[in-house]
Amino acid sequence: GESVGLHLPTLSVQEGDNSIINCAYSNSASDYFIWYKQESGKGPQFIIDIRSNMDKRQGQRVTVLLNKTVKHLSLQIAATQPGDSAVYFCAEVQGAQKLVFGQGTRLTINP
Amino acid sequence: DAGVIQSPRHEVTEMGQEVTLRCKPISGHNSLFWYRQTMMRGLELLIYFNNNVPIDDSGMPEDRFSAKMPNASFSTLKIQPSEPRDSAVYFCASSLTIKNTEAFFGQGTRLTVV
Repeated sequence: GESVGLHLPTLSVQEGDNSIINCAYSNSASDYFIWYKQESGKGPQFIIDIRSNMDKRQGQRVTVLLNKTVKHLSLQIAATQPGDSAVYFCAEVQGAQKLVFGQGTRLTINP
Repeated sequence: DAGVIQSPRHEVTEMGQEVTLRCKPISGHNSLFWYRQTMMRGLELLIYFNNNVPIDDSGMPEDRFSAKMPNASFSTLKIQPSEPRDSAVYFCASSLTIKNTEAFFGQGTRLTVV
């Protein structure tokens, strides 16, 4: 079946440290992958995406890595800030535009 | 642009009542999505539209759920009759084209069925 899941439900890091959030997927035919950030009381917000023909993509303080061999996706956040505290979802894009979301990882930034 | 607008933000209703959730997508966006979010099941895609036409409703849980998009600026998700297990946060999202998956989400409607 199709599934997208996360290894860790919660992650706590010190402010200023780097954080890595992991995600496993099962559908090797997916077109590409997206990371979303969801703050309390708000809808998910797009962070960064990566196509299936890439293995790395960088944004501002964020890097997404895709390992198709083991069907693994990760989001790296550099120099974390208090505003990075949120739930992070990976999503798998299948077919025309079907977004399948993982369960989410709660990231907490400790001062 | 004000973004995707959902109403109401909160809805409390009794079991058996009809519930209608509303969504106004971002102007110019051609694709619209309805999601349901719960702690147990996470974010589930219920249905999505392209150019006001339903493309995939395989995520709609039961016949009690229905969605419409009468025009490019408005969509509804209706539950009739509602049940306590329908309690969740319902999100609407829109994107520019069917191939552009940067979907912008509304703030959601928190539904509680008692």
